[in-house]
Amino acid sequence: AAGVIQSPRHLIKEKRETATLKCYPIPRHDTVYWYQQGPGQDPQFLISFYEKMQSDKGSIPDRFSAQQFSDYHSELNMSSLELGDSALYFCASSLGEGPGEQYFGPGTRLTVT
Amino acid sequence: AQTVTQSQPEMSVQEAETVTLSCTYDTSESDYYLFWYKQPPSRQMILVIRQEAYKQQNATENRFSVNFQKAAKSFSLKISDSQLGDAAMYFCAYRPGSFSGGGADGLTFGKGTHLIIQP
Repeated sequence: AAGVIQSPRHLIKEKRETATLKCYPIPRHDTVYWYQQGPGQDPQFLISFYEKMQSDKGSIPDRFSAQQFSDYHSELNMSSLELGDSALYFCASSLGEGPGEQYFGPGTRLTVT
Repeated sequence: AQTVTQSQPEMSVQEAETVTLSCTYDTSESDYYLFWYKQPPSRQMILVIRQEAYKQQNATENRFSVNFQKAAKSFSLKISDSQLGDAAMYFCAYRPGSFSGGGADGLTFGKGTHLIIQP
């Protein structure tokens, strides 16, 4: 079965650079969630989209922005990168905005040097 | 704000034995969902089991079952007949239900319990 696709899988950036992470949800899934998991930490919810509209917002820094496109894929844009942004970034998708299962992608590992 | 607490940073169990992972949560909502996720060394997040707060019956999935005590706000995970493949970080997670006004609400995770399986 098709799963959530995230690209790139690994990304190395320098401080103050920008990064764009992409997420392709499971076909027919219309809801996307972004999470950040620092080393040895639990995942922290950043933001979610349902039908291309922002639905819920968590602890997303102002330097980050995200959007969901007409084909339901989503992009997380990160600017002025800091060392503390080094983390595993997960995207999850679900069908509808209800409490259905969130299917997680494999994550993008971002390293900021 | 909701909080999820996992008081056991690490647990160890012999293969084929039973282990229980603890989770407590704090919420003022009456409609919510609770989850256990497994994160093996590959770092993939895998849903193990899910419980709706309005259901009194404890959820079960093969060797995995929960003990949901709503009044005590406790949600423990029991793994029976532990296998080497069960070794992973286990995260307890919470999200509001539809009647709590939530939309595509994100999950709130606990800090996790590292489960070690001794052969």
